Amino acid sequence: EVHLLETGGDLVQPGGSLRLSCSASGFLFSSYVMGWVRQPPGKGLEWVSGISGNGYSSYYADSVRGRFTVSRVNSKETLFLQLNNLRADDTAVYYCAKALNYYDTFDSWGQGTLVTVSS
Amino acid sequence: QSVLTQPPSASGTPGQRVTISCSGSTSNIGSNTVTWYQHRPGAAPKLLIWSNNQRPSGVPDRFSGSKSGTSASLAISGLQSDDEADYYCVTWDDSLNGVLFGGGTKVAVL
Repeated sequence: EVHLLETGGDLVQPGGSLRLSCSASGFLFSSYVMGWVRQPPGKGLEWVSGISGNGYSSYYADSVRGRFTVSRVNSKETLFLQLNNLRADDTAVYYCAKALNYYDTFDSWGQGTLVTVSS
Repeated sequence: QSVLTQPPSASGTPGQRVTISCSGSTSNIGSNTVTWYQHRPGAAPKLLIWSNNQRPSGVPDRFSGSKSGTSASLAISGLQSDDEADYYCVTWDDSLNGVLFGGGTKVAVL
């Protein structure tokens, strides 16, 4: 059974940084595209970033490009999202997700971790 | 405002059929396949439809997807109270080089 567990969410001041982690189990981690999707309070889901199985290719939403960095350590079956220069509108629940095949097709999701950006 | 346009809400009585539309453009829906997710409050999103009309195992055949040109739709037949949730269409955008989510449609079972 696939299991994804996000950690690292916290309250951080504007301009601050945070690193989210997603620990995976139950599948061959290195074979799958992984992604991050977020949901701001009271709003809809928003794709944040995706990374290929080998980590060589990564993609970002315009709203986070240049501030967020996705990475993975396949030997530790862990996905990361480094969040820098955080803004109030980055406040959201951040979900880690495993792709079925394409970058937009996530067949397994974690329960999410809350990032709050506020002074 | 999302590049993929969905109606904010839809509703029906138990047993009815509800259809949710998703309108895009040539750089996204027109060039790529569409995925649909169901998201209930407090739960993780759930994959409903992928590659326009494919259902993962475990998803009832009451849910069906279709795509034509730059638009896609999700149909829910035999509506049940358990279907109350937010539904999102998703696809890749070749111009943005990234994934797009529609704004979401809240389905209510009256």
